[in-house]
Amino acid sequence: EADIYQTPRYLVIGTGKKITLECSQTMGHDKMYWYQQDPGMELHLIHYSYGVNSTEKGDLSSESTVSRIRTEHFPLTLESARPSHTSQYLCASNGGPNQPQHFGDGTRLSIL
Amino acid sequence: RKEVEQDPGPFNVPEGATVAFNCTYSNSASQSFFWYRQDCRKEPKLLMSVYSSGNEDGRFTAQLNRASQYISLLIRDSKLSDSATYLCVVNGRRGSGNTGKLIFGQGTTLQVKP
Repeated sequence: EADIYQTPRYLVIGTGKKITLECSQTMGHDKMYWYQQDPGMELHLIHYSYGVNSTEKGDLSSESTVSRIRTEHFPLTLESARPSHTSQYLCASNGGPNQPQHFGDGTRLSIL
Repeated sequence: RKEVEQDPGPFNVPEGATVAFNCTYSNSASQSFFWYRQDCRKEPKLLMSVYSSGNEDGRFTAQLNRASQYISLLIRDSKLSDSATYLCVVNGRRGSGNTGKLIFGQGTTLQVKP
């Protein structure tokens, strides 16, 4: 099993709150990714990083931001949560562009 | 046109059936190909890599046709536990600073019935 962890698994919170979703991996992977996925729908890449201090926006526009201060840690932040942010957020990592990605268990976010 | 295209299904098959999924990709320079499995409300998990010569893992066979730019997954003797969404994954374009992200298809849903 891949060693990539996401917390929390579930979060139900009110509108306007600041939220940080945590993602950590112990495999020493340089490349990390955040995806957003609604139930029954496809994965959408929202952020990725190819190493420390490197972050890029993905294919789907997102109001969230990310940081990569340490190799193993890639948190995602929503400054002011809205109901439209309700979704599942999946973190992944891999060791190179030709390597498969390993996913965390995901965070299921619900904004009331 | 999407970079990776799959028939979303659903494919409804009886137990014991053989089922095949196809996937087409647009980037002829892609070098890495994978099939992932995703159960309902779970994260995607790597099912198998796809090699040029084709490869088999138990009841699962993956094949790559570079000339036609498609990948296939064959499942023999379907089990109830095979019910899931199967995602075709290809590494993306290079150039313009893009170092080759993995591109996920929208997935094909399989439902195996008793």
